[in-house]
Amino acid sequence: GAGVSQSPSNKVTEKGKDVELRCDPISGHTALYWYRQRLGQGLEFLIYFQGNSAPDKSGLPSDRFSAERTGESVSTLTIQRTQQEDSAVYLCASSWGGISYGYTFGSGTRLTVV
Amino acid sequence: AQRVTQPEKLLSVFKGAPVELKCNYSYSGSPELFWYVQYSRQRLQLLLRHISRESIKGFTADLNKGETSFHLKKPFAQEEDSAMYYCALSNTDKLIFGTGTRLQVFP
Repeated sequence: GAGVSQSPSNKVTEKGKDVELRCDPISGHTALYWYRQRLGQGLEFLIYFQGNSAPDKSGLPSDRFSAERTGESVSTLTIQRTQQEDSAVYLCASSWGGISYGYTFGSGTRLTVV
Repeated sequence: AQRVTQPEKLLSVFKGAPVELKCNYSYSGSPELFWYVQYSRQRLQLLLRHISRESIKGFTADLNKGETSFHLKKPFAQEEDSAMYYCALSNTDKLIFGTGTRLQVFP
């Protein structure tokens, strides 16, 4: 595709429900990253995929968070039993040649847990 | 621990004034540093990389290892420069971002 696509763009969910966020990276980009940005804060790293494997998932805040990537393309970030502190913008980015070439970001999913 | 610090949340200047957005980092090794920008209602995008030693939209940034800084500068700010600016540090396999500085350029 022309860019990194994320869906949904906005999600309001009730506390305790599960949510699934989707990211379609740029075709051919082997690296994919998820970040979280809480209101007024910087970008917080969650997980990194190289192809289908996740060599660095050190930023996932708890076992309620999981992510997978299939076919070196689409990735889904799943949050189980959502809590109010999970409210944030979740950003996905992809890269073809490693960090030195920079990331291309999606427009994000704004998650609100009520 | 690797860290990026942007001490100013907001920087306001008038059009034509010089701009310097501060960024300090802590990193044990040879850092790669970046500036990202997010204009209103747009996606976060790469502005420049220190390894390229480039000037983009009139902005430059010089890595100062002695002061562990990577400040972003522009001699004459324009209204269209108003945006959120994030400094980022490469840590092996991912970028570590600062909390960002909002630049407001008044006419």
